[in-house]
Amino acid sequence: SQQGEEDPQALSIQEGENATMNCSYKTSINNLQWYRQNSGRGLVHLILIRSNEREKHSGRLRVTLDTSKKSSSLLITASRAADTASYFCATEGLNAGYSTLTFGKGTMLLVSP
Amino acid sequence: GAGVSQSPRYKVAKRGQDVALRCDPISGHVSLFWYQQALGQGPEFLTYFQNEAQLDKSGLPSDRFFAERPEGSVSTLKIQRTQQEDSAVYLCASSLLPGGPSTDTQYFGPGTRLTVL
Repeated sequence: SQQGEEDPQALSIQEGENATMNCSYKTSINNLQWYRQNSGRGLVHLILIRSNEREKHSGRLRVTLDTSKKSSSLLITASRAADTASYFCATEGLNAGYSTLTFGKGTMLLVSP
Repeated sequence: GAGVSQSPRYKVAKRGQDVALRCDPISGHVSLFWYQQALGQGPEFLTYFQNEAQLDKSGLPSDRFFAERPEGSVSTLKIQRTQQEDSAVYLCASSLLPGGPSTDTQYFGPGTRLTVL
């Protein structure tokens, strides 16, 4: 079953604009991760934010986490056509010494030149 | 360097056939995960190996699904008597350390797209 729900399901913007994607989840987590998937490079890890962090930056990416609302957002600034992909949030639970990822359904981002 | 590879990249099977999907993780990676990704959905966890030990198979949809990693490196996901609902992309991921994603990044393979007719 999917843990996260991304919003919106699809987003279309112009190059140079910012893109914001949201993720909501249901249960307590250790951390939350964002992944990108496109046909050329498969599924690639973007950024991890731990449950005790509120904001994290990596290049043009900014991730926020609100554990009280069980939600996260991914902001991509100054978007490029190469950012066109599906973006997934994934939450990590913890089982007896190892952990697994539970992915949301994803947001399809289209960046037009 | 070489990443995670999977073969075949595409597989078409007739309903009722058995299929075997192969994953070659990054050399030396201890952890190996299999995921199933249906069209328009996110990946869903199937099973987890730490070296040759299958520590979690809770995500396998039915007893028709079987995974192994006998020597702690290459893994095979086998699906017996395939059904149309098995059509999906099967993703393999590996990470260097035991313990999963928070201890080390998971590196995903390109996936095998299985179509059951």
